[in-house]
Formats: sequence, C-alpha cells, structure tokens
Amino acid sequence: AQSVTQPDIHITVSEGASLELRCNYSYGATPYLFWYVQSPGQGLQLLLKYFSGDTLVQGIKGFEAEFKRSQSSFNLRKPSVHWSDAAEYFCAVGPQSTASKLTFGTGTRLQVTL
Amino acid sequence: DSGVTQTPKHLITATGQRVTLRCSPRSGDLSVYWYQQSLDQGLQFLIQYYNGEERAKGNILERFSAQQFPDLHSELNLSSLELGDSALYFCASSEPRLAVGWGGEQFFGPGTRLTVL
Repeated sequence: AQSVTQPDIHITVSEGASLELRCNYSYGATPYLFWYVQSPGQGLQLLLKYFSGDTLVQGIKGFEAEFKRSQSSFNLRKPSVHWSDAAEYFCAVGPQSTASKLTFGTGTRLQVTL
Repeated sequence: DSGVTQTPKHLITATGQRVTLRCSPRSGDLSVYWYQQSLDQGLQFLIQYYNGEERAKGNILERFSAQQFPDLHSELNLSSLELGDSALYFCASSEPRLAVGWGGEQFFGPGTRLTVL
C-alpha cells in the first residue's frame, strides 16, 4: 500500500532563512508526487508536482522540490522564507496508472519568526 | 481560487442527524473526489466519481454516501452523525486524463467544516 511520511510535525524558521521540508514515500512504481499548502481556515493549494522528466521541479511562491528515486524522497525547499509562508504543508502521492486518490502525509506546520 | 466550490462553508448539527454537502467541480473537470480532514486521522480519501459513476472508494463509512449528477456537481450525504464525524470535508476535482497537459493534480475546494454536537 502506498504511504507518505513527513517526519517533521512542526518546524520554526526565521524570516529570510532557508527551508527544507522532508517527505518520504512508499509506492510500488513511480508515482505522481505533489506538495500542497494549507493556510489556516483555507483549502489546499497546489505548490508543485512531479510527473516525469526533470527531477528538480519548480513551483509557485519560490518553492522547489527534488525527486530522488533512490531515497524515495521528494523534499520541498525554499531559499528564503517569508512570513506569509507560515502554513501547513502536505506531501501527497498518487498513482500514475489512473487518475485516482491522493495519499497524504500528516503534514508539517511551518512557523516563521520575524 | 481553485474554481471548485463547496457549500455550505460551515455546518453545525446534532448527533443522529443527516446532512448533505455539495460540491461543484471546475469547469471541464469530470472527476470529483471527497476527502475528510480530522485531527486524529489527517487527510483521508473517501470516494471518487468520474462522469457520474463511482470510480474508487477509500475509507468511507457505510453511513456516508455520495453521488455525482449529470451536471457533474456532487453531493456527500452523511447520516446518523456521531461526534467523531466532526471534521473538515474537502471536495477536489481533476481534468480528464486525456486533457492536454494533464498532470494528475487535484484542485481542492475551500471545504465544509462540520461540527456534530
């Protein structure tokens, strides 16, 4: 069965510092991989996705993620965090064979200090 | 704004009652997905419909049911509600797989917050 692990429940960074959120997945084949962000009281917004091809993908709001097949990881990075990035971040995996359900990690809550 | 709409935004009801949550997908999207987000279970997939037909089922209780109508909007029906059903319910939609530029992503609505008292 597919699963997603986000080992960090809560991360605090200073504004302007770099950020890396970890995501490891378990899946039988190459999956689709996604990062979503959820601000308080809001829905989920797609930050970026890995579908195929270049393993370093760029997303919105200055985020990027790197797919590493050998490590079953898809870590999210941002070189300089802004206070508005404070939110909850979810990594998700979906099957390539059919457009079907996403399996989400438990999320990482990001706090940004000024 | 993802283009997916959900109503109502908030719903407060009592145990044993029945409620209906409504979702309108993005224009052109044929798939609708329902997810439940709770503190103890996280984000869990409930059910998927594609062009009016059930396509996939997740951890959906027998007390819950859904349908997708000819105009592609979907409703999630929750009955015999229990305190533990209190959660945020999200609807998501995705475009047909054969659509140009399809990438498998799902677009989420703002959610319906259900509180069962």
